[in-house]
Amino acid sequence: DAGITQSPRHKVTETGTPVTLRCHQTENHRYMYWYRQDPGHGLRLIHYSYGVKDTDKGEVSDGYSVSRSKTEDFLLTLESATSSQTSVYFCAISTNGRGTDTQYFGPGTRLTVL
Amino acid sequence: AQKITQTQPGMFVQEKEAVTLDCTYDTSDPSYGLFWYKQPSSGEMIFLIYQGSYDQQNATEGRYSLNFQKARKSANLVISASQLGDSAMYFCAMSMMDSSYKLIFGSGTRLLVRP
Repeated sequence: DAGITQSPRHKVTETGTPVTLRCHQTENHRYMYWYRQDPGHGLRLIHYSYGVKDTDKGEVSDGYSVSRSKTEDFLLTLESATSSQTSVYFCAISTNGRGTDTQYFGPGTRLTVL
Repeated sequence: AQKITQTQPGMFVQEKEAVTLDCTYDTSDPSYGLFWYKQPSSGEMIFLIYQGSYDQQNATEGRYSLNFQKARKSANLVISASQLGDSAMYFCAMSMMDSSYKLIFGSGTRLLVRP
Protein backbone atom coordinates (compact mmCIF):
# COMPACT_ATOMS: atom_id res chain seq x y z
CA ASP A 1 0.00 0.00 0.00
CA ALA A 2 1.62 3.22 -1.17
CA GLY A 3 -0.66 5.42 0.92
CA ILE A 4 -2.38 7.24 -1.96
CA THR A 5 -5.92 8.50 -1.74
CA GLN A 6 -8.02 10.35 -4.27
CA SER A 7 -11.09 12.48 -3.74
CA PRO A 8 -13.78 12.47 -4.79
CA ARG A 9 -14.01 8.90 -6.01
CA HIS A 10 -16.98 9.66 -8.23
CA LYS A 11 -18.26 12.93 -9.60
CA VAL A 12 -20.93 13.98 -12.04
CA THR A 13 -20.83 17.55 -13.26
CA GLU A 14 -22.14 19.70 -16.06
CA THR A 15 -20.33 21.14 -19.04
CA GLY A 16 -18.68 24.44 -18.27
CA THR A 17 -18.31 23.97 -14.53
CA PRO A 18 -14.92 23.92 -12.79
CA VAL A 19 -13.82 20.68 -11.18
CA THR A 20 -10.91 19.92 -8.85
CA LEU A 21 -9.64 16.46 -8.10
CA ARG A 22 -7.33 15.83 -5.18
CA CYS A 23 -4.54 13.33 -4.75
CA HIS A 24 -3.05 12.85 -1.30
CA GLN A 25 -0.02 10.76 -0.36
CA THR A 26 1.29 9.95 3.09
CA GLU A 27 4.93 9.07 2.34
CA ASN A 28 6.47 12.31 1.00
CA HIS A 29 7.37 10.97 -2.42
CA ARG A 30 8.83 13.59 -4.71
CA TYR A 31 7.19 12.68 -8.02
CA MET A 32 3.43 12.68 -8.51
CA TYR A 33 1.44 12.14 -11.69
CA TRP A 34 -2.06 12.56 -13.07
CA TYR A 35 -3.17 10.13 -15.79
CA ARG A 36 -6.48 9.62 -17.51
CA GLN A 37 -7.87 6.32 -18.74
CA ASP A 38 -10.31 6.06 -21.62
CA PRO A 39 -11.82 2.98 -23.31
CA GLY A 40 -9.43 1.41 -25.78
CA HIS A 41 -6.45 3.18 -24.29
CA GLY A 42 -4.12 2.55 -21.47
CA LEU A 43 -3.34 5.47 -19.22
CA ARG A 44 -2.11 8.76 -20.65
CA LEU A 45 -0.20 11.40 -18.73
CA ILE A 46 -1.92 14.75 -18.11
CA HIS A 47 0.54 16.54 -15.80
CA TYR A 48 3.23 15.62 -13.38
CA SER A 49 5.09 17.19 -10.47
CA TYR A 50 8.69 16.74 -9.38
CA GLY A 51 8.43 18.78 -6.19
CA VAL A 52 6.49 21.50 -4.41
CA LYS A 53 5.47 24.10 -6.98
CA ASP A 54 7.36 22.20 -9.69
CA THR A 55 5.00 20.87 -12.34
CA ASP A 56 5.06 20.16 -16.05
CA LYS A 57 2.75 19.07 -18.83
CA GLY A 58 2.15 15.60 -20.15
CA GLU A 59 0.81 14.48 -23.50
CA VAL A 60 -2.88 15.33 -22.91
CA SER A 61 -2.66 18.51 -20.82
CA ASP A 62 -5.02 20.79 -22.76
CA GLY A 63 -7.92 21.90 -20.57
CA TYR A 64 -6.21 20.89 -17.33
CA SER A 65 -4.10 22.68 -14.74
CA VAL A 66 -2.37 21.41 -11.62
CA SER A 67 -0.99 22.71 -8.38
CA ARG A 68 1.23 21.33 -5.69
CA SER A 69 1.61 23.59 -2.66
CA LYS A 70 2.51 20.76 -0.29
CA THR A 71 4.49 17.59 -0.84
CA GLU A 72 1.54 15.41 0.03
CA ASP A 73 -1.13 17.00 -2.18
CA PHE A 74 -1.39 17.24 -5.96
CA LEU A 75 -4.50 18.90 -7.35
CA LEU A 76 -5.89 18.53 -10.85
CA THR A 77 -8.29 21.24 -12.05
CA LEU A 78 -10.57 21.26 -15.03
CA GLU A 79 -11.21 24.97 -15.47
CA SER A 80 -14.33 24.47 -17.59
CA ALA A 81 -15.28 20.83 -17.90
CA THR A 82 -16.20 19.39 -21.30
CA SER A 83 -17.78 16.07 -22.23
CA SER A 84 -14.46 14.93 -23.71
CA GLN A 85 -13.04 15.04 -20.19
CA THR A 86 -15.35 12.29 -19.03
CA SER A 87 -12.85 9.69 -17.95
CA VAL A 88 -11.28 7.83 -15.07
CA TYR A 89 -8.46 9.81 -13.49
CA PHE A 90 -5.59 8.14 -11.71
CA CYS A 91 -2.98 9.72 -9.51
CA ALA A 92 0.39 7.99 -9.16
CA ILE A 93 3.56 8.41 -7.19
CA SER A 94 7.11 7.42 -7.95
CA THR A 95 9.41 6.87 -5.03
CA ASN A 96 12.53 8.44 -6.55
CA GLY A 97 11.44 9.69 -9.92
CA ARG A 98 13.81 7.52 -11.87
CA GLY A 99 12.58 5.49 -14.81
CA THR A 100 13.50 2.32 -13.00
CA ASP A 101 11.24 3.12 -10.06
CA THR A 102 7.80 1.62 -9.84
CA GLN A 103 4.83 3.93 -10.02
CA TYR A 104 2.03 3.17 -7.62
CA PHE A 105 -1.48 4.29 -8.35
CA GLY A 106 -4.33 5.68 -6.34
CA PRO A 107 -7.81 4.13 -6.54
CA GLY A 108 -9.00 6.43 -9.31
CA THR A 109 -11.73 9.05 -9.73
CA ARG A 110 -14.55 8.45 -12.16
CA LEU A 111 -15.64 11.79 -13.64
CA THR A 112 -18.71 12.21 -15.80
CA VAL A 113 -19.32 15.51 -17.57
CA LEU A 114 -22.88 15.90 -18.85
CA ALA B 1 8.82 7.48 -30.79
CA GLN B 2 8.37 5.25 -27.79
CA LYS B 3 5.45 2.87 -28.07
CA ILE B 4 3.96 -0.15 -26.36
CA THR B 5 1.91 -2.66 -28.34
CA GLN B 6 -0.38 -5.31 -26.91
CA THR B 7 -1.89 -7.24 -29.79
CA GLN B 8 -4.30 -9.44 -27.82
CA PRO B 9 -7.46 -7.52 -26.91
CA GLY B 10 -8.89 -10.54 -25.13
CA MET B 11 -7.82 -14.00 -24.07
CA PHE B 12 -9.26 -17.05 -22.37
CA VAL B 13 -7.36 -19.53 -20.22
CA GLN B 14 -8.47 -22.58 -18.32
CA GLU B 15 -8.06 -22.47 -14.57
CA LYS B 16 -4.72 -23.93 -13.38
CA GLU B 17 -3.13 -23.54 -16.81
CA ALA B 18 -0.37 -21.09 -17.74
CA VAL B 19 -0.98 -18.13 -20.02
CA THR B 20 1.27 -15.68 -21.84
CA LEU B 21 0.25 -12.09 -22.49
CA ASP B 22 2.21 -10.42 -25.27
CA CYS B 23 3.88 -7.03 -25.15
CA THR B 24 6.27 -5.45 -27.62
CA TYR B 25 7.90 -2.09 -27.20
CA ASP B 26 9.77 0.42 -29.26
CA THR B 27 12.40 2.79 -27.92
CA SER B 28 15.78 4.11 -28.91
CA ASP B 29 16.85 4.68 -25.31
CA PRO B 30 19.37 2.14 -23.99
CA SER B 31 17.96 2.46 -20.47
CA TYR B 32 14.30 1.84 -19.71
CA GLY B 33 12.00 -0.06 -17.42
CA LEU B 34 9.17 -2.37 -18.32
CA PHE B 35 6.17 -2.91 -16.07
CA TRP B 36 3.01 -4.96 -15.92
CA TYR B 37 -0.10 -3.82 -14.12
CA LYS B 38 -3.34 -5.64 -13.41
CA GLN B 39 -6.69 -3.85 -13.41
CA PRO B 40 -9.54 -5.94 -11.98
CA SER B 41 -13.16 -5.03 -12.52
CA SER B 42 -13.02 -2.91 -9.36
CA GLY B 43 -10.81 -0.50 -11.28
CA GLU B 44 -7.61 -0.11 -9.32
CA MET B 45 -4.21 -0.43 -10.98
CA ILE B 46 -2.09 -3.07 -9.29
CA PHE B 47 1.63 -3.33 -9.93
CA LEU B 48 2.71 -6.86 -10.78
CA ILE B 49 6.27 -7.01 -12.02
CA TYR B 50 9.20 -4.91 -13.25
CA GLN B 51 12.10 -5.58 -15.63
CA GLY B 52 15.01 -3.23 -16.16
CA SER B 53 16.64 -3.00 -19.57
CA TYR B 54 20.02 -3.98 -18.12
CA ASP B 55 18.74 -6.85 -16.03
CA GLN B 56 20.36 -10.08 -17.13
CA GLN B 57 17.71 -12.37 -15.74
CA ASN B 58 14.00 -12.44 -16.31
CA ALA B 59 11.99 -10.98 -13.45
CA THR B 60 9.76 -13.23 -11.37
CA GLU B 61 7.19 -12.44 -8.68
CA GLY B 62 5.34 -15.45 -7.37
CA ARG B 63 3.19 -16.82 -10.19
CA TYR B 64 4.19 -13.95 -12.48
CA SER B 65 7.26 -13.96 -14.66
CA LEU B 66 8.39 -11.63 -17.37
CA ASN B 67 9.84 -13.18 -20.52
CA PHE B 68 12.24 -10.42 -21.56
CA GLN B 69 13.72 -10.72 -25.05
CA LYS B 70 15.68 -7.55 -25.59
CA ALA B 71 16.71 -8.17 -29.19
CA ARG B 72 13.08 -8.75 -30.15
CA LYS B 73 11.90 -5.88 -27.94
CA SER B 74 9.34 -8.04 -26.24
CA ALA B 75 8.35 -8.27 -22.59
CA ASN B 76 5.68 -10.92 -22.30
CA LEU B 77 3.94 -11.66 -19.01
CA VAL B 78 3.57 -15.29 -18.06
CA ILE B 79 1.03 -16.25 -15.42
CA SER B 80 1.43 -19.79 -14.16
CA ALA B 81 -1.36 -21.86 -12.62
CA SER B 82 -4.12 -19.38 -13.48
CA GLN B 83 -6.74 -18.65 -10.86
CA LEU B 84 -10.25 -17.27 -11.21
CA GLY B 85 -9.05 -14.09 -9.52
CA ASP B 86 -6.62 -13.50 -12.37
CA SER B 87 -9.51 -12.45 -14.60
CA ALA B 88 -8.77 -8.78 -15.27
CA MET B 89 -7.27 -6.28 -17.70
CA TYR B 90 -3.50 -6.40 -17.94
CA PHE B 91 -1.42 -3.44 -19.06
CA CYS B 92 2.17 -3.41 -20.19
CA ALA B 93 4.02 -0.14 -19.66
CA MET B 94 7.43 1.36 -20.30
CA SER B 95 9.14 4.17 -18.44
CA MET B 96 10.36 7.21 -20.32
CA MET B 97 13.90 8.35 -19.60
CA ASP B 98 13.13 12.04 -19.93
CA SER B 99 12.60 14.48 -17.07
CA SER B 100 9.11 13.17 -16.43
CA TYR B 101 9.89 9.47 -16.05
CA LYS B 102 6.31 8.92 -17.09
CA LEU B 103 4.90 5.58 -18.11
CA ILE B 104 3.75 4.79 -21.64
CA PHE B 105 0.97 2.20 -21.61
CA GLY B 106 -0.29 -0.34 -24.08
CA SER B 107 -4.00 -0.68 -24.76
CA GLY B 108 -4.33 -3.72 -22.53
CA THR B 109 -5.36 -7.37 -22.72
CA ARG B 110 -8.50 -8.64 -21.07
CA LEU B 111 -7.92 -12.08 -19.56
CA LEU B 112 -10.78 -14.35 -18.61
CA VAL B 113 -10.04 -17.45 -16.58
CA ARG B 114 -12.52 -20.27 -17.11
CA PRO B 115 -13.33 -22.70 -14.28
